Amino acid sequence: DTGVSQNPRHKITKRGQNVTFRCDPISEHNRLYWYRQTLGQGPEFLTYFQNEAQLEKSRLLSDRFSAERPKGSFSTLEIQRTEQGDSAMYLCASSLGLDRETQYFGPGTRLLVL
Amino acid sequence: AQSVTQLGSHVSVSEGALVLLRCNYSSSVPPYLFWYVQYPNQGLQLLLKYTSAATLVKGINGFEAEFKKSETSFHLTKPSAHMSDAAEYFCAVSDHYGNNRLAFGKGNQVVVIP
Repeated sequence: DTGVSQNPRHKITKRGQNVTFRCDPISEHNRLYWYRQTLGQGPEFLTYFQNEAQLEKSRLLSDRFSAERPKGSFSTLEIQRTEQGDSAMYLCASSLGLDRETQYFGPGTRLLVL
Repeated sequence: AQSVTQLGSHVSVSEGALVLLRCNYSSSVPPYLFWYVQYPNQGLQLLLKYTSAATLVKGINGFEAEFKKSETSFHLTKPSAHMSDAAEYFCAVSDHYGNNRLAFGKGNQVVVIP
């Protein structure tokens, strides 16, 4: 069990550019979650997948955000036309998929939009 | 919707003294409650969780929490603080609508004074 991994760990981009983050969950976990954490706040839910199906998206996830999980394995989160307000830590978590089970978090990708 | 409240963003405690972090929840159904710890530039690590079994839950690193339904509380304690306990601590409640998303409090930044 290597845990949840995320790449890159840090990303600096200019406003208006597109960025993509990757999350590799724990191998047998079929649920995958994305959260966003801004400075001084707790993580906020963005979206989640059950296998390859994206089952819910938060209203925080504007049209500029898109997430995929092809084949139910790794997931990508893309932000188009980044804005300074997108600067945050993006956290990925995975779980086996049983009801209310523990979510295991990755180290996060810290995004800075200049 | 479920929510948690953590008061006092920064908590200072002397080394060897009691650590007490307060968490109050709001939930329309019996909640599942979690405490996570986050060290600088890292993801979240589970300390302990309450899942309607024993009301006193023991976790890692000497932490424990007690679920009190009458007070809608799930406070985290550790009898004797260690320098390595300096971190940010988040209380979270699990959504009961099937997607298991976590709703986090704003967190407590714990500073341990030698």
